[in-house]
Amino acid sequence: QVQLQQSGPGLVKPSQTLSLTCAISGDSVSSKSAAWNWIRQSPSRGLEWLGRTFYRSKWYSDYAVSVKSRITINPDTSKNQFSLQLNSVTPEDTAVYFCAREPTTPNFDYWGQGTLVTVSS
Amino acid sequence: SYELTQPPSVSVSPGQTASITCSADKLGDKYASWYQQKPGQSPVLVIYQDVKRPSGIPERFSGSNSGNTATLTISGTQAMDEADYFCQAWDITTAVFFGGGTKLTVL
Repeated sequence: QVQLQQSGPGLVKPSQTLSLTCAISGDSVSSKSAAWNWIRQSPSRGLEWLGRTFYRSKWYSDYAVSVKSRITINPDTSKNQFSLQLNSVTPEDTAVYFCAREPTTPNFDYWGQGTLVTVSS
Repeated sequence: SYELTQPPSVSVSPGQTASITCSADKLGDKYASWYQQKPGQSPVLVIYQDVKRPSGIPERFSGSNSGNTATLTISGTQAMDEADYFCQAWDITTAVFFGGGTKLTVL
């Protein structure tokens, strides 16, 4: 059974960097049959896919156009986890952030518990 | 960008059939997935690749996708099915899109 455990601060100041981690159990971040995603949800924007990282003989990352200039998603093979960094945050980045596994089919079959991140001074 | 349109709300009586639609240009050419989300919880995948049910999802959940519309159907709706439902599709630009969500009320 795959489990995703999120960690990270719930409060970030404007202009600073939002950082979250998703620890994987029951699968490997280096799996060649999965991708590891970050998705956020807010009342104003609904569910919004942010990006993913995956390994197919080398590492790849894809990012949503809306955040492409500010986002980095990195794997950490030593800890079997992956991380999200979102730079230069504003109050509009306030949302519940989820990590999720994407199998070879384009959907999300396992989700983390969600982390409410508030951007406020 | 690619927009998926869902009705904001659908109501159904217990035991009846609920249908939730998701519309977008040529959606039938893509795979659609559906998620159930209850308050304070993470989304749960209930349908993927248009018609497939993950292990553990009741048979009363089914899906279809043709033309510009994907549909989630819940047969014999139960009170426990009351939740928000989101459709999701993947675009050739390697981007993922979600619908705005439909609140299903069982009354």
